[in-house]
Formats: sequence, structure tokens, C-alpha cells
Amino acid sequence: EAGVAQSPRYKIIEKRQSVAFWCNPISGHATLYWYQQILGQGPKLLIQFQNNGVVDDSQLPKDRFSAERLKGVDSTLKIQPAKLEDSAVYLCASSRQGFYEQYFGPGTRLTVT
Amino acid sequence: QQQVKQSPQSLIVQKGGISIINCAYENTAFDYFPWYQQFPGKGPALLIAIRPDVSEKKEGRFTISFNKSAKQFSLHIMDSQPGDSATYFCAASEAYKYIFGTGTRLKVLA
Repeated sequence: EAGVAQSPRYKIIEKRQSVAFWCNPISGHATLYWYQQILGQGPKLLIQFQNNGVVDDSQLPKDRFSAERLKGVDSTLKIQPAKLEDSAVYLCASSRQGFYEQYFGPGTRLTVT
Repeated sequence: QQQVKQSPQSLIVQKGGISIINCAYENTAFDYFPWYQQFPGKGPALLIAIRPDVSEKKEGRFTISFNKSAKQFSLHIMDSQPGDSATYFCAASEAYKYIFGTGTRLKVLA
């Protein structure tokens, strides 16, 4: 079974630029999560999708971050405009509906200069 | 109330020794407690998990001990190996959403 795929793996941008991350979850996993992991900290949930609907986006900075999962499979997370403090690893995870176990992708390391 | 406090921040253990990492929580609505292992440049990988109706769970060299009354749980790694050197995160789940601890960087000396 293929794992969670993410791209790109690394991205360097200047502040005020925009960036987008892509995630393809494990086949059949209806629930998809985006996390932000700042260096030296644990992952922090940004948004949770169930199929193509948002379950929880209470910790998503909506003035600059947006996410979508249009067909209930792939998802895109966008930052516009980026700030220096957005430098982090952005992790995507997926799980089967009604199951607790979350499986993480390798992450995208974002550096904002 | 939503925090999960993890200690120690770093840990050095001799090969063959026991590594112990502790976590504490306040929210009694948490109903699932996983541990994740993360190597540099990789995403977290699920190691072992426990539900609050169980006091202990063992899988190979890894054991979770859970104390519901104290609202604490811990990970024990028996016979620690250099390959176990990684960062370990505890987490607690409510409604399938995880709150992660701050992580423990484990180094096992050969």
C-alpha cells in the first residue's frame, strides 16, 4: 500500500510571495489533515477534511492560509502572502473514516527568507 | 487544558538500556493516545497507541503504560538500540484530532 505522498519536498521563497503544497493521501482514506511543524516542536493541526468537507479549521490562519480538497482525494494547502514565521515543515496525514490511526507523509520543508 | 506536556526534552541511553518518556494531559475527553517516531527529514511514523480503558500495551520492545487517574502515560523502549535514535512524540486525540507533545530527542549510544 502506497503511503501519503507530498510535493514539493523543499521550497524556498521570499516573504510576501505565495506557495502551494500538494498532498495525495493513502487510497481509501476519507480523512485528511494538514499540520505545521516548527523546528523543535510537535506538529500542530491546521485543518481537517472529511472527504471534501472541512471538519475543523479553527487553527488555520485564514487571512493568509487556505486549503481545499475538491474531489475528496488530493488536497492543496496555500500560503499567500508568506511571512518569515511560516518557515516550518508542512505535514499531511490521512486516516480511514472512524479510525484513530493517522499516517503521515514526508512533509514539505518551507523556508521563507 | 488542551496541552500535552512531554518530558524529558532529550535523553541519552546506553545500548541495551531502557528509555522512558513521559507525557501528561488535562483534558479528560481525550480517548486515544498514540506515540510517534520521527527521523530527521521524515514524517512521523506511528509506533504504538493505547485507549484509556487499558493500563498497558506492549508491542515488541515498546510498551505504553497508562495511568488514567493521574492523567499520565509513558513510553518504555526496552533493550534500546542505536537505530532507535530519533525524536519521539506523544499525542492525545479528541474527536480524531491530535494534540502533540513537544517531543523527546533520544540518542542511544553504541
